[in-house]
Amino acid sequence: EADIYQTPRYLVIGTGKKITLECSQTMGHDKMYWYQQDPGMELHLIHYSYGVNSTEKGDLSSESTVSRIRTEHFPLTLESARPSHTSQYLCASSESEREALSETQYFGPGTRLLVL
Amino acid sequence: KNQVEQSPQSLIILEGKNCTLQCNYTVSPFSNLRWYKQDTGRGPVSLTIMTFSENTKSNGRYTATLDADTKQSSLHITASQLSDSASYICVVSDRGSTLGRLYFGRGTQLTVWP
Repeated sequence: EADIYQTPRYLVIGTGKKITLECSQTMGHDKMYWYQQDPGMELHLIHYSYGVNSTEKGDLSSESTVSRIRTEHFPLTLESARPSHTSQYLCASSESEREALSETQYFGPGTRLLVL
Repeated sequence: KNQVEQSPQSLIILEGKNCTLQCNYTVSPFSNLRWYKQDTGRGPVSLTIMTFSENTKSNGRYTATLDADTKQSSLHITASQLSDSASYICVVSDRGSTLGRLYFGRGTQLTVWP
């Protein structure tokens, strides 16, 4: 069982509200990721970080922002939630290894977001 | 365009039976291929990882195969159990960047009935 946590697990919120999805890992991993996943669809990378003070946008355009002030913490923020943001958000982390071929991502349980 | 295609989209089998899930990919240059299991309401968990030089890898009742020439992989589940009910996701990594970009399939939804 990976030591990576996400809160809240479920969130129902009204349009226009600001929300922050929390992600924490206790494995000391340098790399962290946020994915968006709709039912029956593939995961899409929306943000990633190589380490503290490093953040990059992923493949899928997203109106969310992230920060990486501490190694173990990688929160995702939506300044103004919209119904189109309804989805499952998965956080993951991986250890930077010299042999990148063996790098495996460990996923949190996800946050299911519903914007009304 | 780099893609990962999985089949079937969904599968129902009886407890104790075997099954095989397929993954075809066009990702290039190829680095490695992983199979993940995702239980409903949970994040994916890694089952196996294979590089281009490996053609089979086992993890208990799960056996993955890889044919790097035809760009095909399969995941064979032996003596299925109710707890095998989940989505199985094929993930291919390229060597095009230090990030080791991952390409995800849509998964095969497996349901095991008693």
